[in-house]
Amino acid sequence: DAGITQSPRHKVTETGTPVTLRCHQTENHRYMYWYRQDPGHGLRLIHYSYGVKDTDKGEVSDGYSVSRSKTEDFLLTLESATSSQTSVYFCAIGTGANGNTIYFGEGSWLTVV
Amino acid sequence: DAKTTQPPSMDCAEGRAANLPCNHSTISGNEYVYWYRQIHSQGPQYIIHGLKNNETNEMASLIITEDRKSSTLILPHATLRDTAVYYCIVRATDSWGKLQFGAGTQVVVTP
Repeated sequence: DAGITQSPRHKVTETGTPVTLRCHQTENHRYMYWYRQDPGHGLRLIHYSYGVKDTDKGEVSDGYSVSRSKTEDFLLTLESATSSQTSVYFCAIGTGANGNTIYFGEGSWLTVV
Repeated sequence: DAKTTQPPSMDCAEGRAANLPCNHSTISGNEYVYWYRQIHSQGPQYIIHGLKNNETNEMASLIITEDRKSSTLILPHATLRDTAVYYCIVRATDSWGKLQFGAGTQVVVTP
């Protein structure tokens, strides 16, 4: 258990509405990540953070924004949800000097109808 | 990051050792080999990683060939709970922890 809590775990929302997923960690790790997982695409990095207010884009960042105002929380926001954003979202933390060993949360299932 | 090649699936009998191969022939000197697994509907789980020496922890052993072009993950005594997709990943130490997941190997442990 890497002390990662994702919320909500399941959500159904309508197209065009904003959605925020929260990732909370209890062990003060510097590196945090958001991935999405879809059939046929595997896990893909959306955004990552290497410290408070330090974030960067991953390979599938369009339509997503993130914020990290505190070490323990990393928020993923879908400004205007679309059906293509229906997915399972995994938060992760990186441990070690460069965040090299990554531990994942249990996932948030998002359905956009 | 170097690409990896894994068999798409393999079966293993409960109680026996499971040996999962991975080829990474284009691996660079600063790239580590990581293994993760994902049990259905759960988040990926870190198993083990190594650079060039063999590694062992409470979950598994990692054997890396001397030329580092391939590796084997060994689950010493497979249980039904080890049924999962296993991912072999190669990544550099300065890649900010970003992981490139491939298709992995679906391992089914049978009674």
